[in-house]
Parts: sequence; C-alpha cells; structure tokens
Amino acid sequence: GDSVTQMEGPVTLSEEAFLTINCTYTATGYPSLFWYVQYPGEGLQLLLKATKADDKGSNKGFEATYRKETTSFHLEKGSVQVSDSAVYFCALRGEKAGGGNKLTFGTGTQLKVEL
Amino acid sequence: EPEVTQTPSHQVTQMGQEVILRCVPISNHLYFYWYRQILGQKVEFLVSFYNNEISEKSEIFDDQFSVERPDGSNFTLKIRSTKLEDSAMYFCASSGGLVGYTFGSGTRLTVV
Repeated sequence: GDSVTQMEGPVTLSEEAFLTINCTYTATGYPSLFWYVQYPGEGLQLLLKATKADDKGSNKGFEATYRKETTSFHLEKGSVQVSDSAVYFCALRGEKAGGGNKLTFGTGTQLKVEL
Repeated sequence: EPEVTQTPSHQVTQMGQEVILRCVPISNHLYFYWYRQILGQKVEFLVSFYNNEISEKSEIFDDQFSVERPDGSNFTLKIRSTKLEDSAMYFCASSGGLVGYTFGSGTRLTVV
C-alpha cells in the first residue's frame, strides 16, 4: 500500500537558518503530494502541493519539488522564522479515477526555530 | 474562503458512552472524510464517504464507528461505545474531487 516516510524530529534551528525536511514515498502510479502544517493547538493547514513529476509547490517561502525518480518531496525554506515553529506533515493522495482518494500521512516532523 | 466547520472543539465523555462528532463540509464538495490523530502521533485515515455511502474505510473503523450525512449539510462520526484509546483529535475533511482537501480545525475527544 501507499506509505510516506519523513525524517524524525524535532528539528531545532536558529532563525534565518536553511530548512530541509526530507520526505520519501511509496505509491503506485502518479500520486499527488502535499505538505501540511499544524501549529500548536490547531488543525491541519495545506502548505503546498504538487500533482505531477517535476512540479514545484511553493507557499510562504517554502518549496518542495516532486521528484519521481527518487520518489521524494523534500520541504525547503531558505530562511526560517520563529513563527514557522510547527509540525510539518508530508502526505500523498493516490491516483484513482473519480477522485475521493484518502490522504496517507507521514509521521510528522516538529520544527522548533529559536532566536 | 470556504471552511469546514467542526463541533464541538473539545468533548469529554465517559468510557462506554456514545459520542457524535459533527462536521459541516464545504457546500459544493462531494467527498467527505474523517481522520484521527492520537496525541503526538501521525494522522490516520478512518473513512471516506461519497454519494451517501462509505467508499473506503481503514481497519481502525470497526463496528463501533459509523458515519452519516443526515441532511444536506452535516456529516457526523458516531462512536457507539467509547474506549480510552479513542481519545484523539478527530479531523473532518472535504474535497471537491480534484486534488485539494480542506480540513476542519478538529474535535479533541477525551475519554475518561
């Protein structure tokens, strides 16, 4: 079945540092890939997405590129801020005609950004 | 921007009691989902619902769970006899059939 593997957390960075959170996946066909963010005490917010190979999703300075050859969708940000402290989830949505597919999530990576 | 609304935000219930978690999906969405997140763990799929029936469910979604769309706007998750291990954050989501999902802010269920 589909699966998502994320790097273990927590990741602790200083403000303005470069961020990479690794994500790899296993799925048949051509899944869509997502990064969700969960701030403390809140729900899941879509951060960015990519629907086909070589697509780059971007939002709020975060980027991730859908790499089919390495089955990866690593999240990057050039300069993190304290306000980026949250848990980041990589997820995939399997390819199936008609839509309505479930999301499969990774375990989440907690990011802590310090001054 | 359209939202998925969940109520209540926090529910405390005694073990063995029935609970109903409520969700109002985005009005023109066709697919509805429940997920749960046990504290500190990954988000897990429970069930998807389309055209007034369950389209997929996980092994977690056993006979203690049921879903219903009682009218044109609400989507509910019922847990018939709660157990301590049902304590989790439950997220409702809806989708228009394209790529995107919208999640609600969740209901924190505490079983005591």
